[in-house]
Amino acid sequence: DAGVIQSPRHEVTEMGQEVTLRCKPISGHNSLFWYRQTMMRGLELLIYFNNNVPIDDSGMPEDRFSAKMPNASFSTLKIQPSEPRDSAVYFCASSLRQGDYGYTFGSGTRLTVV
Amino acid sequence: GNSVTQMEGPVTLSEEAFLTINCTYTATGYPSLFWYVQYPGEGLQLLLKATKADDKGSNKGFEATYRKETTSFHLEKGSVQVSDSAVYFCALTFMNTGFQKLVFGTGTRLLVSP
Repeated sequence: DAGVIQSPRHEVTEMGQEVTLRCKPISGHNSLFWYRQTMMRGLELLIYFNNNVPIDDSGMPEDRFSAKMPNASFSTLKIQPSEPRDSAVYFCASSLRQGDYGYTFGSGTRLTVV
Repeated sequence: GNSVTQMEGPVTLSEEAFLTINCTYTATGYPSLFWYVQYPGEGLQLLLKATKADDKGSNKGFEATYRKETTSFHLEKGSVQVSDSAVYFCALTFMNTGFQKLVFGTGTRLLVSP
């Protein structure tokens, strides 16, 4: 298995632009999570899905952030408009709902908003 | 609520030294416990886990024992290597409204010098 695949690995964009981050979970995993990591706040859970349905989006910082999971093999996290304070590494992770298998993380997308 | 507390870093050691990274947790019920490792520029990887009291998780020379009496899951390694330099995250999982959710500590950076 190729693991959780995120794209792009790096993104540099100007303030005010729309940014879309992509994630392909491991086949057969039915839960998907988006995290943000910064030096100041560490790892923050933004949103998670189960069976493609958003379960808890209380970690999404503002209305500028939105996430979708149109099918079991693809999810997006969109920021519109982007701001410099959104600069961070964004991770996607997937897991099986049942059992204690933990999460499998992607390699992350490093976002820089200038 | 459910939470994880880790010792502040960085932890600085010489090669072949003994490592302990402390982790304590607060949880209702009996969570499963995990250690994740994040190497520079990468996502988090599951290092080891324990699912019930007195279980010992082990991997790559690292060990941690689930201690219910002290609500702890300290990470240990007898002889660290330079390649162990990374950030280590303690985590617990619990079922929230029927869905598995991971709670992470803030991470402890380990620096090993030759």
